[in-house]
Amino acid sequence: GAVVSQHPSWVICKSGTSVKIECRSLDFQATTMFWYRQFPKQSLMLMATSNEGSKATYEQGVEKDKFLINHASLTLSTLTVTSAHPEDSSFYICSASGGQLSYEQYFGPGTRLTVT
Amino acid sequence: RKEVEQDPGPFNVPEGATVAFNCTYSNSASQSFFWYRQDCRKEPKLLMSVYSSGNEDGRFTAQLNRASQYISLLIRDSKLSDSATYLCVVNTGNQFYFGTGTSLTVIP
Repeated sequence: GAVVSQHPSWVICKSGTSVKIECRSLDFQATTMFWYRQFPKQSLMLMATSNEGSKATYEQGVEKDKFLINHASLTLSTLTVTSAHPEDSSFYICSASGGQLSYEQYFGPGTRLTVT
Repeated sequence: RKEVEQDPGPFNVPEGATVAFNCTYSNSASQSFFWYRQDCRKEPKLLMSVYSSGNEDGRFTAQLNRASQYISLLIRDSKLSDSATYLCVVNTGNQFYFGTGTSLTVIP
């Protein structure tokens, strides 16, 4: 299957700081990338969908000014958690689809964010 | 109504048992269907796509019933390593909708 990487895999930050998470498709062009959040023992929750070169579409209840998403190229999307708070601590996972893989999505390994 | 409904379980089965999961979807225009497996604290990984004709991969069989709008996953001869959460995913347009996941624990 296609390969999607995510960086960093684990980050601890202080309350009030911003954290940027990168999601890269390594062997295909990802026209669409998705950002999810998952709390312990809960299902994945879609935060936003981003298409390359356009603004992300955020799910209801997700603050676009707090979770900044940039999808500037076909292989890279970034999620920036601004002014992080302890309740933002979660597992953030990106996924990508595109090209011949448009009907499948491949997940990055996830980023575990802990805000102290 | 949710786009995708899935029984969260948990399913606790003995090694060697056969177990089946079902998932229903609400949009008849949905185009593609998948089963993913997610291990604890890991990302979901594609297990198999689901085709109208049904498809089999070793001990795993996936089926799609468009008339009743559900997909199923059958696991035969369960192994301890099958313990995980199984997610059904439905693609509608450019959107992917996830079930809540079904937790499976295979017991020795």
